[in-house]
Amino acid sequence: DTEVTQTPKHLVMGMTNKKSLKCEQHMGHRAMYWYKQKAKKPPELMFVYSYEKLSINESVPSRFSPECPNSSLLNLHLHALQPEDSALYLCASSQDRGVGVNEQFFGPGTRLTVL
Amino acid sequence: AQRVTQPEKLLSVFKGAPVELKCNYSYSGSPELFWYVQYSRQRLQLLLRHISRESIKGFTADLNKGETSFHLKKPFAQEEDSAMYYCALRIYNQGGKLIFGQGTELSVKP
Repeated sequence: DTEVTQTPKHLVMGMTNKKSLKCEQHMGHRAMYWYKQKAKKPPELMFVYSYEKLSINESVPSRFSPECPNSSLLNLHLHALQPEDSALYLCASSQDRGVGVNEQFFGPGTRLTVL
Repeated sequence: AQRVTQPEKLLSVFKGAPVELKCNYSYSGSPELFWYVQYSRQRLQLLLRHISRESIKGFTADLNKGETSFHLKKPFAQEEDSAMYYCALRIYNQGGKLIFGQGTELSVKP
């Protein structure tokens, strides 16, 4: 399996809801990433996990909480979001995060709408 | 500062015409550069990486360290090349994060 999968495809939630986004890869990659992409804009990094440990948090608000239960799974827990958090959330994985050209494989994204 | 600049938001050409999508970067270390493409309603996918010097779908890109550029070229554009193209710089000592340019939307007209 050479794909990154993400569920759900679409999510609509209220500002008081709690929801989770899920990302999965079975390529044996040890680095996984969450990006946020607004319409007509490039992806912006949110978090990096390396060997199941959080290694980078790009000053993301605490209403976004990442979790890496195992080497194949990455979750993003959402709580008390704001309408401006509406965006496409992309997950990516790569063989490693270190030196050397490690291409990132992207999932199709979850389109989130916060009402 | 680490930065990727794609000066053209939109590039419109006719089928069969040459295409060049510009990318300039700013980075103090040894750059790792990529071109990603996002077709309509499809996921972001890697098109080229500078280290492999390959040609994918007729596209090539050469790293010019003197001009800090990594322009994407194709001699004869096809309608199916219409998509959003992002140039990206990988920062290996910051978790391998990718810094993307603003993107260039390529429109190839028949």
